[in-house]
Amino acid sequence: ETGVTQTPRHLVMGMTNKKSLKCEQHLGHNAMYWYKQSAKKPLELMFVYNFKEQTENNSVPSRFSPECPNSSHLFLHLHTLQPEDSALYLCASSQVRGLNQGAKNIQYFGAGTRLSVL
Amino acid sequence: SQELEQSPQSLIVQEGKNLTINCTSSKTLYGLYWYKQKYGEGLIFLMMLQKGGEEKSHEKITAKLDEKKQQSSLHITASQPSHAGIYLCGAGSGQSGTYKYIFGTGTRLKVLA
Repeated sequence: ETGVTQTPRHLVMGMTNKKSLKCEQHLGHNAMYWYKQSAKKPLELMFVYNFKEQTENNSVPSRFSPECPNSSHLFLHLHTLQPEDSALYLCASSQVRGLNQGAKNIQYFGAGTRLSVL
Repeated sequence: SQELEQSPQSLIVQEGKNLTINCTSSKTLYGLYWYKQKYGEGLIFLMMLQKGGEEKSHEKITAKLDEKKQQSSLHITASQPSHAGIYLCGAGSGQSGTYKYIFGTGTRLKVLA
């Protein structure tokens, strides 16, 4: 148990559906992240939130919409996805986000949501 | 931009054998973090290295950061099936305001019983 909970663990959706992924952390952290992990590809950072403010969006298509209502919760809203969006979506949190912060930069990950887009 | 290259990409070893995974950076590392991932699950933090020449151990896993802080190695002694998974290195890079946290390409380890 890492202190980061993701739901659902598995999701199958059609290309016209709208769904949301949820992430909750019980660690008192201030930074939260969404990652995409596809087969045989490096981990891709999608979004970063620091103190509830979005600080990074790594050229993610607009069909992915993040939301961070507070420091403990992070959502990823999905709509009109494509089959190539099928992947493992991972949420993570860290105490802070910044240079030379040592242990405060350690990221704690949820178990992920396995998404299949039909 | 900084990249982290891991080698080998995949590794199959017999139980009881020792192995080493490398993580090489194109720039100086400001904190190097090792994670392990079981298939289809999240990453679990293993160890953090910050100082050149630093070495840390946890159970049968030892990680080192070279003096120049551009390469790290992860060594597993007497491997067991429980060591199987994907090992990733992560590091911070950039300056204040442009900080990035990047991950390596990953090394997939299989241990044969």
